[in-house]
Amino acid sequence: EPEVTQTPSHQVTQMGQEVILRCVPISNHLYFYWYRQILGQKVEFLVSFYNNEISEKSEIFDDQFSVERPDGSNFTLKIRSTKLEDSAMYFCASMITPDLNTEAFFGQGTRLTVV
Amino acid sequence: KNQVEQSPQSLIILEGKNCTLQCNYTVSPFSNLRWYKQDTGRGPVSLTIMTFSENTKSNGRYTATLDADTKQSSLHITASQLSDSASYICVVSGGGFKTIFGAGTRLFVKA
Repeated sequence: EPEVTQTPSHQVTQMGQEVILRCVPISNHLYFYWYRQILGQKVEFLVSFYNNEISEKSEIFDDQFSVERPDGSNFTLKIRSTKLEDSAMYFCASMITPDLNTEAFFGQGTRLTVV
Repeated sequence: KNQVEQSPQSLIILEGKNCTLQCNYTVSPFSNLRWYKQDTGRGPVSLTIMTFSENTKSNGRYTATLDADTKQSSLHITASQLSDSASYICVVSGGGFKTIFGAGTRLFVKA
């Protein structure tokens, strides 16, 4: 069964460093998403991406964050100058279309720990 | 303000029993409502997807209901199993690409 793959599973970084979280969506999917889940809290939408550009972003997704799909396969989330409060699970998801009855497939997440 | 509220926050039941989880939302416009199961430290897995016109949808032992007038949904789990222990998250899409997640109900199934 096709699945969304995220790497690394766990990333530890020092405060102020840049990190890149990687996702390989399901191959025929066209819509991609990043979500964040701080430990013990709800999942929060960060950004959606379609046709090589951001479709929508939340207030969390400020200039510290960026996304790109550099090679038509990987979908990356870059966090510049990480802060302690960026520590969270980051989930990537993909969909064939964002239509009403389309299932979103989530990756297993990357646990980011900023120390 | 677009919100999704879930209750109860946590629930403990005995294996084999049924349970019902609640979701109330104020998201507008409404596009669809999804229930996800999330095991600890894992990504959410879709259980059901319902649009405005759908009242009930089943997926094995999971049955979701939707009342779009009162903006309420429920997820009923029949004959619970130990593997049902997880967080169950209600997610409402309000048009566009943005989705609003509930905080989830943490279900513990005991032998």
